[in-house]
Amino acid sequence: GDSVTQMEGPVTLSEEAFLTINCTYTATGYPSLFWYVQYPGEGLQLLLKATKADDKGSNKGFEATYRKETTSFHLEKGSVQVSDSAVYFCALSDSTGFQKLVFGTGTRLLVSP
Amino acid sequence: EAGVAQSPRYKIIEKRQSVAFWCNPISGHATLYWYQQILGQGPKLLIQFQNNGVVDDSQLPKDRFSAERLKGVDSTLKIQPAKLEDSAVYLCASSFQAYEQYFGPGTRLTVT
Repeated sequence: GDSVTQMEGPVTLSEEAFLTINCTYTATGYPSLFWYVQYPGEGLQLLLKATKADDKGSNKGFEATYRKETTSFHLEKGSVQVSDSAVYFCALSDSTGFQKLVFGTGTRLLVSP
Repeated sequence: EAGVAQSPRYKIIEKRQSVAFWCNPISGHATLYWYQQILGQGPKLLIQFQNNGVVDDSQLPKDRFSAERLKGVDSTLKIQPAKLEDSAVYLCASSFQAYEQYFGPGTRLTVT
């Protein structure tokens, strides 16, 4: 079945450092890809998405590019802030039409001043 | 616009007891999802409703879990009887357009 693999955390960075969180997927067909973020004490929020190959999703300074050839959707940000500390989940939605989300295990990001 | 509401936020029960969770989706959202998130794992879909009907319950442990969505709005998820491995956060989400799921704050269940 479909699956998502994320790098394990926690990822610990200093403020203004460059962030990469790796995500690869296995799926039949042509899934849509997502990054969700969970801030402490809050629910999951959609951060960005890409629905087809070579699409780039972006939001709040975060970016991810849908790479079909490497089945990857790595999350990047050029300069992280303390307020970016959260758990980040990579997910895919299959192409069958029911929009079922399959999540990775999540990567905790800790940013220190 | 109000978000997805869930209650209770926290629940502690003993094994073999029963428990119910409630979800009120965003107004107008036809699709409602229940996910289980075990500590250290990503959310796993338990059941998906389209209006009143179930479109996917393939990962719902039907011997102990049940869910309903009366009148295509609110939904309840029940566990009876609970086991220790049911300790998790139960997330409700809803969507109107394809691929945009909005999540509630979750209910943290501890089974002792």
